[in-house]
Amino acid sequence: ETGVTQTPRHLVMGMTNKKSLKCEQHLGHNAMYWYKQSAKKPLELMFVYNFKEQTENNSVPSRFSPECPNSSHLFLHLHTLQPEDSALYLCASSQTGTSGGQADTQYFGPGTRLTVL
Amino acid sequence: QKEVEQNSGPLSVPEGAIASLNCTYSDRGSQSFFWYRQYSGKSPELIMSIYSNGDKEDGRFTAQLNKASQYVSLLIRDSQPSDSATYLCAVPRRDTGRRALTFGSGTRLQVQP
Repeated sequence: ETGVTQTPRHLVMGMTNKKSLKCEQHLGHNAMYWYKQSAKKPLELMFVYNFKEQTENNSVPSRFSPECPNSSHLFLHLHTLQPEDSALYLCASSQTGTSGGQADTQYFGPGTRLTVL
Repeated sequence: QKEVEQNSGPLSVPEGAIASLNCTYSDRGSQSFFWYRQYSGKSPELIMSIYSNGDKEDGRFTAQLNKASQYVSLLIRDSQPSDSATYLCAVPRRDTGRRALTFGSGTRLQVQP
Protein backbone atom coordinates (compact mmCIF):
# COMPACT_ATOMS: atom_id res chain seq x y z
CA GLU A 1 0.00 0.00 0.00
CA THR A 2 1.19 3.48 -0.77
CA GLY A 3 0.10 6.96 0.17
CA VAL A 4 -2.96 7.36 2.33
CA THR A 5 -5.60 4.63 2.48
CA GLN A 6 -9.09 4.76 3.92
CA THR A 7 -11.62 2.06 4.71
CA PRO A 8 -14.40 1.55 4.10
CA ARG A 9 -14.85 3.46 0.86
CA HIS A 10 -18.61 3.50 1.25
CA LEU A 11 -20.71 3.23 4.38
CA VAL A 12 -24.44 3.30 4.93
CA MET A 13 -25.61 3.43 8.51
CA GLY A 14 -28.71 4.08 10.52
CA MET A 15 -28.90 6.82 13.09
CA THR A 16 -28.58 4.37 15.97
CA ASN A 17 -25.58 2.48 14.61
CA LYS A 18 -21.97 2.73 15.71
CA LYS A 19 -19.27 2.48 13.08
CA SER A 20 -15.65 3.49 12.62
CA LEU A 21 -13.70 4.93 9.73
CA LYS A 22 -10.06 3.96 9.39
CA CYS A 23 -7.18 5.84 7.83
CA GLU A 24 -3.59 4.72 7.39
CA GLN A 25 -0.71 6.70 5.96
CA HIS A 26 2.40 5.05 4.51
CA LEU A 27 4.35 8.28 3.99
CA GLY A 28 6.15 8.55 7.33
CA HIS A 29 4.32 11.77 8.17
CA ASN A 30 3.80 13.11 11.68
CA ALA A 31 0.43 14.83 11.29
CA MET A 32 -2.98 13.50 10.31
CA TYR A 33 -6.30 15.21 9.66
CA TRP A 34 -9.99 14.49 9.28
CA TYR A 35 -12.05 16.62 6.90
CA LYS A 36 -15.74 16.59 6.03
CA GLN A 37 -16.94 17.54 2.57
CA SER A 38 -20.68 17.92 2.13
CA ALA A 39 -22.30 18.39 -1.25
CA LYS A 40 -21.49 21.80 -2.74
CA LYS A 41 -19.65 22.93 0.39
CA PRO A 42 -15.96 23.54 0.95
CA LEU A 43 -13.76 21.16 2.86
CA GLU A 44 -14.34 21.48 6.60
CA LEU A 45 -11.47 20.68 8.95
CA MET A 46 -12.64 18.43 11.79
CA PHE A 47 -9.61 17.21 13.75
CA VAL A 48 -5.84 17.58 13.66
CA TYR A 49 -3.30 15.24 15.22
CA ASN A 50 0.41 15.99 15.52
CA PHE A 51 2.64 13.20 16.80
CA LYS A 52 -0.50 11.33 17.98
CA GLU A 53 -1.69 14.30 20.04
CA GLN A 54 -4.92 16.02 19.13
CA THR A 55 -4.13 19.67 18.53
CA GLU A 56 -7.37 20.84 16.96
CA ASN A 57 -11.03 20.03 17.40
CA ASN A 58 -12.92 22.34 15.15
CA SER A 59 -16.14 22.47 17.16
CA VAL A 60 -17.13 19.01 16.01
CA PRO A 61 -20.18 17.38 17.67
CA SER A 62 -19.37 14.68 20.20
CA ARG A 63 -21.05 12.03 18.03
CA PHE A 64 -17.75 12.10 16.12
CA SER A 65 -14.89 10.72 18.18
CA PRO A 66 -11.36 10.56 16.76
CA GLU A 67 -8.60 8.21 17.83
CA CYS A 68 -4.94 8.27 16.84
CA PRO A 69 -3.06 5.28 18.31
CA ASN A 70 0.16 6.11 16.42
CA SER A 71 1.43 8.46 13.75
CA SER A 72 0.34 6.13 10.95
CA HIS A 73 -3.23 5.36 11.94
CA LEU A 74 -6.27 7.52 12.50
CA PHE A 75 -9.82 6.48 13.28
CA LEU A 76 -13.11 8.32 13.36
CA HIS A 77 -15.69 6.63 15.56
CA LEU A 78 -19.28 7.43 14.69
CA HIS A 79 -22.39 7.03 16.83
CA THR A 80 -25.95 8.32 16.75
CA LEU A 81 -25.32 10.30 13.59
CA GLN A 82 -27.86 12.49 11.87
CA PRO A 83 -28.83 12.47 8.18
CA GLU A 84 -27.06 15.83 7.76
CA ASP A 85 -23.81 14.06 8.63
CA SER A 86 -23.95 12.31 5.26
CA ALA A 87 -20.85 13.47 3.41
CA LEU A 88 -17.47 12.48 2.05
CA TYR A 89 -15.03 12.06 4.95
CA LEU A 90 -11.43 12.63 3.97
CA CYS A 91 -8.28 11.77 5.83
CA ALA A 92 -5.03 13.54 5.07
CA SER A 93 -1.47 13.48 6.33
CA SER A 94 1.49 15.83 6.17
CA GLN A 95 4.96 16.33 7.53
CA THR A 96 4.94 19.36 9.79
CA GLY A 97 7.95 21.42 10.73
CA THR A 98 9.32 21.62 7.20
CA SER A 99 7.81 24.90 6.03
CA GLY A 100 8.92 27.46 8.59
CA GLY A 101 6.50 25.96 11.09
CA GLN A 102 3.55 26.46 8.79
CA ALA A 103 1.33 23.84 7.23
CA ASP A 104 2.89 21.98 4.35
CA THR A 105 1.50 19.78 1.62
CA GLN A 106 -1.30 17.52 2.75
CA TYR A 107 -1.90 14.24 0.98
CA PHE A 108 -5.43 12.93 0.94
CA GLY A 109 -6.84 9.46 1.06
CA PRO A 110 -9.63 8.45 -1.31
CA GLY A 111 -12.32 9.21 1.27
CA THR A 112 -15.26 7.39 2.77
CA ARG A 113 -18.66 8.20 1.32
CA LEU A 114 -21.01 8.09 4.33
CA THR A 115 -24.76 7.95 4.07
CA VAL A 116 -26.85 8.20 7.23
CA LEU A 117 -30.40 6.97 6.89
CA GLN B 1 -13.65 38.00 5.91
CA LYS B 2 -13.02 34.50 4.61
CA GLU B 3 -9.46 33.27 4.84
CA VAL B 4 -9.49 32.07 1.24
CA GLU B 5 -11.76 33.27 -1.53
CA GLN B 6 -12.23 31.82 -4.99
CA ASN B 7 -14.71 32.44 -7.75
CA SER B 8 -16.93 29.35 -7.83
CA GLY B 9 -17.28 29.43 -11.61
CA PRO B 10 -17.84 27.52 -13.72
CA LEU B 11 -14.97 28.81 -15.77
CA SER B 12 -15.40 27.54 -19.30
CA VAL B 13 -12.49 27.55 -21.75
CA PRO B 14 -12.03 25.87 -25.13
CA GLU B 15 -9.56 23.03 -25.52
CA GLY B 16 -6.05 24.34 -26.07
CA ALA B 17 -6.68 27.68 -24.37
CA ILE B 18 -5.12 29.03 -21.18
CA ALA B 19 -7.26 28.69 -18.06
CA SER B 20 -6.60 31.24 -15.33
CA LEU B 21 -7.76 30.52 -11.80
CA ASN B 22 -7.47 33.06 -9.02
CA CYS B 23 -7.46 33.00 -5.25
CA THR B 24 -7.17 35.71 -2.62
CA TYR B 25 -6.29 35.19 1.02
CA SER B 26 -6.59 37.34 4.11
CA ASP B 27 -3.71 36.27 6.37
CA ARG B 28 -0.57 38.24 5.57
CA GLY B 29 1.43 35.82 7.68
CA SER B 30 0.80 32.91 5.32
CA GLN B 31 3.97 31.56 3.77
CA SER B 32 2.83 28.44 1.95
CA PHE B 33 0.20 28.16 -0.75
CA PHE B 34 -1.27 25.19 -2.51
CA TRP B 35 -3.43 24.31 -5.49
CA TYR B 36 -5.34 21.05 -5.46
CA ARG B 37 -7.47 19.49 -8.18
CA GLN B 38 -10.60 17.54 -7.28
CA TYR B 39 -12.58 15.49 -9.73
CA SER B 40 -16.22 14.91 -8.92
CA GLY B 41 -16.60 12.29 -6.19
CA LYS B 42 -12.83 11.98 -5.71
CA SER B 43 -10.40 13.32 -3.15
CA PRO B 44 -8.22 16.39 -3.73
CA GLU B 45 -4.81 15.86 -5.30
CA LEU B 46 -1.92 18.31 -5.16
CA ILE B 47 -1.16 20.23 -8.35
CA MET B 48 1.31 22.85 -7.18
CA SER B 49 2.76 24.37 -4.06
CA ILE B 50 4.40 27.80 -3.98
CA TYR B 51 6.23 29.59 -1.21
CA SER B 52 7.96 32.60 -2.81
CA ASN B 53 6.71 35.57 -4.76
CA GLY B 54 6.76 35.11 -8.49
CA ASP B 55 6.04 32.25 -10.83
CA LYS B 56 6.58 28.54 -10.46
CA GLU B 57 6.17 26.31 -13.47
CA ASP B 58 5.53 22.57 -13.66
CA GLY B 59 4.64 21.26 -17.08
CA ARG B 60 1.45 22.92 -18.28
CA PHE B 61 0.82 24.45 -14.86
CA THR B 62 2.15 27.76 -13.55
CA ALA B 63 1.45 29.07 -10.07
CA GLN B 64 1.84 32.78 -9.44
CA LEU B 65 2.16 34.34 -5.99
CA ASN B 66 1.92 37.99 -5.06
CA LYS B 67 2.15 38.39 -1.30
CA ALA B 68 1.80 42.18 -1.38
CA SER B 69 -1.56 41.87 -3.10
CA GLN B 70 -2.42 38.64 -1.27
CA TYR B 71 -3.34 36.60 -4.27
CA VAL B 72 -2.21 33.37 -5.78
CA SER B 73 -3.20 32.16 -9.22
CA LEU B 74 -2.93 29.02 -11.30
CA LEU B 75 -2.51 29.06 -15.06
CA ILE B 76 -3.18 25.94 -17.10
CA ARG B 77 -1.75 26.10 -20.59
CA ASP B 78 -3.06 24.02 -23.49
CA SER B 79 -6.13 23.08 -21.46
CA GLN B 80 -7.47 19.58 -22.04
CA PRO B 81 -10.93 18.14 -21.37
CA SER B 82 -9.27 15.99 -18.70
CA ASP B 83 -8.45 19.21 -16.80
CA SER B 84 -12.17 19.68 -16.17
CA ALA B 85 -12.42 19.57 -12.39
CA THR B 86 -12.74 21.76 -9.33
CA TYR B 87 -9.54 23.55 -8.34
CA LEU B 88 -9.03 24.29 -4.67
CA CYS B 89 -6.73 26.93 -3.27
CA ALA B 90 -5.35 26.29 0.23
CA VAL B 91 -3.36 28.36 2.71
CA PRO B 92 -2.31 27.79 6.33
CA ARG B 93 -5.23 28.17 8.69
CA ARG B 94 -4.66 30.98 11.15
CA ASP B 95 -6.72 29.59 14.03
CA THR B 96 -4.61 26.41 14.07
CA GLY B 97 -1.40 28.38 14.47
CA ARG B 98 -1.08 27.88 10.73
CA ARG B 99 -0.36 24.16 11.30
CA ALA B 100 -3.33 23.02 9.22
CA LEU B 101 -4.67 24.16 5.85
CA THR B 102 -7.86 25.99 5.06
CA PHE B 103 -9.38 25.47 1.65
CA GLY B 104 -11.33 27.75 -0.60
CA SER B 105 -14.67 26.64 -1.96
CA GLY B 106 -13.06 25.90 -5.30
CA THR B 107 -13.42 27.02 -8.90
CA ARG B 108 -15.05 24.61 -11.29
CA LEU B 109 -13.24 24.49 -14.62
CA GLN B 110 -14.88 23.16 -17.76
CA VAL B 111 -12.70 22.60 -20.83
CA GLN B 112 -14.82 22.35 -23.95
CA PRO B 113 -13.58 19.91 -26.64
